[in-house]
Amino acid sequence: ETGVTQSPTHLIKTRGQQVTLRCSSQSGHNTVSWYQQALGQGPQFIFQYYREEENGRGNFPPRFSGLQFPNYSSELNVNALELDDSALYLCASGAGGRLTGELFFGEGSRLTVL
Amino acid sequence: KNQVEQSPQSLIILEGKNCTLQCNYTVSPFSNLRWYKQDTGRGPVSLTIMTFSENTKSNGRYTATLDADTKQSSLHITASQLSDSASYICVVSAGPGTYKYIFGTGTRLKVLA
Repeated sequence: ETGVTQSPTHLIKTRGQQVTLRCSSQSGHNTVSWYQQALGQGPQFIFQYYREEENGRGNFPPRFSGLQFPNYSSELNVNALELDDSALYLCASGAGGRLTGELFFGEGSRLTVL
Repeated sequence: KNQVEQSPQSLIILEGKNCTLQCNYTVSPFSNLRWYKQDTGRGPVSLTIMTFSENTKSNGRYTATLDADTKQSSLHITASQLSDSASYICVVSAGPGTYKYIFGTGTRLKVLA
């Protein structure tokens, strides 16, 4: 049990729709990062937020956007969904915004785009 | 290009045996290297984190090594158990300044009774 919760656990959308995924961080953690994991692949880093500011981004288009709230919970928004967006989306929380800190992962939100 | 490559892709061993998983990376600037265990359909769980100056780190039956000169790491699992069946993912952090995590595709380990 990492103390990181994600919702929803599963959802189905159609191409062109928009989706919002949510993540509640472990208590005391001010850093959250999001990842996309396609079936049989390793996670791909989407972006990281530290104290409500994005401080790192992977190679994802602008239709992947995020928010971190004052209570350090977070959202991942994906616009104009494509079939290839079908994946497990993981969030991880940590402390301090540093890369050397421990990351605690949630169980993920599985998105299916039809 | 920042990359993390793991080998083998998959591995089957008998319970009680030892095994070693490999990770090679071309990430710069290097910040740290982590090994995670991921059960199917679950989130990854951290096993070890090593910075540039650390050569080895243990966590129970798991021992990770790092050679920053050759940019190679290994994860050794001793006296394997059925519960070790999972994917093992190597993650290299690029930074400071870039704040990126580069994940390998993982090694799928199956331990048989």
